[in-house]
Amino acid sequence: KQEVTQIPAALSVPEGENLVLNCSFTDSAIYNLQWFRQDPGKGLTSLLLIQSSQREQTSGRLNASLDKSSGRSTLYIAASQPGDSATYLCAPTRDNYGQNFVFGPGTRLSVLP
Amino acid sequence: EPEVTQTPSHQVTQMGQEVILRCVPISNHLYFYWYRQILGQKVEFLVSFYNNEISEKSEIFDDQFSVERPDGSNFTLKIRSTKLEDSAMYFCASSEIGQGLSGANVLTFGAGSRLTVL
Repeated sequence: KQEVTQIPAALSVPEGENLVLNCSFTDSAIYNLQWFRQDPGKGLTSLLLIQSSQREQTSGRLNASLDKSSGRSTLYIAASQPGDSATYLCAPTRDNYGQNFVFGPGTRLSVLP
Repeated sequence: EPEVTQTPSHQVTQMGQEVILRCVPISNHLYFYWYRQILGQKVEFLVSFYNNEISEKSEIFDDQFSVERPDGSNFTLKIRSTKLEDSAMYFCASSEIGQGLSGANVLTFGAGSRLTVL
């Protein structure tokens, strides 16, 4: 059974800092992994998707890495801004079939101006 | 930018009542999903749907739940007889294609329907 943990649970940083969010998952037989952002009371926005054959993906100030064999992914946010404040969710697929994403509990990020 | 729309945004119902949550996925997407999030807890997978049938469902998705694509645009989740523990935010999502293509199953989520069961 796929289980996902995220560290830290919460993070508060001053604007401009670079930061790393960590995700661990127990079953390495994944199809891909997505990082999402969730704003309070709102839906989820997909930030990055990494296929199981890839090691990293970049989008703007975001970079996600994947070490499938060790069951880890990291999300790197460069030059953080107050608008980055949200909860960040890691979601690997349950298995290598690819339809069922298993979400972590999230990291709640606050970027202070 | 195309989006997934969900209605209602909030529904309050009495225990034992039937509830239908509606979703309009992105028009060229072929895979549809329902997830839920109980307040303060993780987002949980309920069901995926493709080609007019369920492709996968979780243990949460018991006989009280059903999904339907009644026409070419709507995708619905029905809860037959609501229980207090069904209170949650229900998210609909869609993806263009399933496995097999790079980036193909990027999920686009709707804003959610908050269900409160009294």
